[in-house]
Amino acid sequence: DAGITQSPRYKITETGRQVTLMCHQTWSHSYMFWYRQDLGHGLRLIYYSAAADITDKGEVPDGYVVSRSKTENFPLTLESATRSQTSVYFCASSDWMFTGYTFGSGTRLTVV
Amino acid sequence: AQSVTQLDSHVSVSEGTPVLLRCNYSSSYSPSLFWYVQHPNKGLQLLLKYTSAATLVKGINGFEAEFKKSETSFHLTKPSAHMSDAAEYFCVVSDVQGNLIFGKGTKLSVKP
Repeated sequence: DAGITQSPRYKITETGRQVTLMCHQTWSHSYMFWYRQDLGHGLRLIYYSAAADITDKGEVPDGYVVSRSKTENFPLTLESATRSQTSVYFCASSDWMFTGYTFGSGTRLTVV
Repeated sequence: AQSVTQLDSHVSVSEGTPVLLRCNYSSSYSPSLFWYVQHPNKGLQLLLKYTSAATLVKGINGFEAEFKKSETSFHLTKPSAHMSDAAEYFCVVSDVQGNLIFGKGTKLSVKP
């Protein structure tokens, strides 16, 4: 089924552990984005990527690492998880003209 | 820099009455503006978008929004609320890199 897929849907991890959230899109969109959603903050941009091997920081990048070796994948890694990173994470993609953005279903991450 | 302000964090209406969700934006150029809806524990769904064509934009499920440059507003309206409209609504502006900047959201409650 075409679209954008995030995995896992739910994840519980311990403080200090490394965890990777996966994002895969089948649209061949140039742009991909990672957002986090927290109560009272709406969605905030963590990182984005304009193409394979091109990534840039968003509003709240600290504690996160991204890579984009292939156009269709954009994993987000928390190198050493902290409780403040408990959140719902959304991946999104867009064509290069930004005519339409597609969001994944989200990953609910809890750091204990 | 681009930004959006949603003027109400919570709006409550009765079923069958009009809905008004207010959004003001700040942008140094002619922006693209969006309204997204998020039902509880669900992902984000695009309601409508403005991209410098008609100032009155019609979206899905009977929603519409009017772009008013003089007032820097992009308010979302619906003539008659339905119980299924209860959700959180986000006003969004895109920046020059194509990143989406979200407002903090307005929670809409619909009373029977």
